[in-house]
Amino acid sequence: KQEVTQIPAALSVPEGENLVLNCSFTDSAIYNLQWFRQDPGKGLTSLLLIQSSQREQTSGRLNASLDKSSGRSTLYIAASQPGDSATYLCAVTPETSGSRLTFGEGTQLTVNP
Amino acid sequence: DGGITQSPKYLFRKEGQNVTLSCEQNLNHDAMYWYRQDPGQGLRLIYYSQIVNDFQKGDIAEGYSVSREKKESFPLTVTSAQKNPTAFYLCASSIADLPVEQYFGPGTRLTVT
Repeated sequence: KQEVTQIPAALSVPEGENLVLNCSFTDSAIYNLQWFRQDPGKGLTSLLLIQSSQREQTSGRLNASLDKSSGRSTLYIAASQPGDSATYLCAVTPETSGSRLTFGEGTQLTVNP
Repeated sequence: DGGITQSPKYLFRKEGQNVTLSCEQNLNHDAMYWYRQDPGQGLRLIYYSQIVNDFQKGDIAEGYSVSREKKESFPLTVTSAQKNPTAFYLCASSIADLPVEQYFGPGTRLTVT
């Protein structure tokens, strides 16, 4: 059974710092991996989707990498801002599941001004 | 504007009562999903529907029921058989039951006392 783990569970950094969030998964047979942002009490916003054949995706200050064989992904946030404060969730689509996502527990990020 | 709406945002019920959560999308998506999120945890799949008049159980379907009579609507009923119904419920949709991006609604917070 696929399991997704995110480390750390919480992270607090000063504004302007570059930071890395980690996601690991136990079964490398995946179609893709997605990173989501969730603000308190709100739904999820998709940030980046990496197909299994890709190594990385970039959007603005965000860069996500995928090492499928080792079961790891990182989300790099450059020059963090207080508005980046949120919970970041990663999710994989296992090859056996069609469209069903398996989520990690999330990393709660606080960027202090 | 295209998107997913969930209503109500907050819902309070007494123990032993059934309650139905609404999810509507105007994205013309075939697939729809219901997830449950507990504090500090990732999302867990309750039910999903690939097409009208068809749906499948997810990982935690016990105590829940759904219907898919219209393409744009996928209501979730939390029955009295659900032992711990208090949670944040999120609805999502995707263009098809394929490993593609899922779009999420704003969520409904259900509190049962």
